[in-house]
Parts: sequence; structure tokens; C-alpha cells
Amino acid sequence: GESVGLHLPTLSVQEGDNSIINCAYSNSASDYFIWYKQESGKGPQFIIDIRSNMDKRQGQRVTVLLNKTVKHLSLQIAATQPGDSAVYFCAETLYSGAGSYQLTFGKGTKLSVIP
Amino acid sequence: EPEVTQTPSHQVTQMGQEVILRCVPISNHLYFYWYRQILGQKVEFLVSFYNNEISEKSEIFDDQFSVERPDGSNFTLKIRSTKLEDSAMYFCASSILTGSSEQYFGPGTRLTVT
Repeated sequence: GESVGLHLPTLSVQEGDNSIINCAYSNSASDYFIWYKQESGKGPQFIIDIRSNMDKRQGQRVTVLLNKTVKHLSLQIAATQPGDSAVYFCAETLYSGAGSYQLTFGKGTKLSVIP
Repeated sequence: EPEVTQTPSHQVTQMGQEVILRCVPISNHLYFYWYRQILGQKVEFLVSFYNNEISEKSEIFDDQFSVERPDGSNFTLKIRSTKLEDSAMYFCASSILTGSSEQYFGPGTRLTVT
């Protein structure tokens, strides 16, 4: 069936460098793509989302890029800090018309920041 | 800052027993969700709830599961007869708008079935 997946299970980055976390998706009908951050012992934390009709969206130190041609999503973190160390999940969602968004998560990429 | 809270943080139960996991969503949110995460695996959608009824549910959410909003603040997930494979982290989430994909997650309840 259709699913969301991740290219890299682990990523180690030097503090201050930029991080890029990638994700492949296969449901071309999805409305939104979202990045979540999960720190140890905590629930997923919303970082940023992007609608399917956009290519790029910027937040504070983060940028999400969507390439619908190759069904690819990426999260760029500028000037990575130790506090960015976590597991990052991409998720996709398709509004069903029932009033809610059902998130389909990928498996996650663990980002480790080296001080 | 408002947050979703969940109790208990860890629940240990014997196979076949009933468990109720509790959540207090953010007060002005209208949409409520349960997800689970088996250790080492991805987060999986269970059910969404709006206007006192289930909006959507996944294949995981079978007759052993039920949800309820017994009052104006709590949102509960009940598993009637737990199985070993129900052991997982259970996350509650809420969102304010139908048009928003931004869901706020609680810290989770770790359910261990022995």
C-alpha cells in the first residue's frame, strides 16, 4: 500500500552546521506534509507543515522543501544546535472530509548533534 | 503555554484486563486523536473524534477499543481485553481547526501488557 518512508535512519551533524533530513512519500493525493520532532520520553512536537500546492516553506531556522515530481520532502535545519538532537518524523495527511486529518507517519530519522 | 496532558505515564496490566488511558486535550481544541507507537516502530493512527463521535478509525481500532469524552475536558481510550501486542506508547493529540494539520501531542502513556 502507499506509505511514507525515510532515506536515512541516523544523521550525525556538527554543531553549527546545517542538517538536511529527507523523506519519500508515495501518496500523491496527500494535502499536507508535516515534520514532527520527538525527544526522548516525549510526544511528537509539530515543527512545520507544507501544503501540497507549495514548494517551500520557511520557519524559524527550519525550511521544508516539497518536490512533488519525485515525491520527496526534506527538512533543513540551519545552524544545528545540541537541542535539535531528536528523532524527526515526516508525516502526510489527506483530508477525508470527515472533519479531521489522519496523520501517516514515517519511521523516523535520529539526528545527533556533535558539540 | 497550553499543552495536552495524559495519565498515567506508565500503565502495567495483565493480559485480558481492561485499561483506560486518559487525556486532557487543549481546552479550546475541537478535534481529538489517539495514536500508538510500538517500541522502535513508527507512530500509527488509531482514531479521530469530533463533536462527540468518531470521525475516522484505522484497522487497528477494532472492537476491543473505544473512545469517550465523558465530560468537557477528558478524552479516554479504553481497551477492553488487553493483548500482549497492545504494549506500546499511546499518544493523545488535539487540534483546533478542521483545516489544520497541526496536531498537538501529549507526552504519551506507556502501556505494558504482561
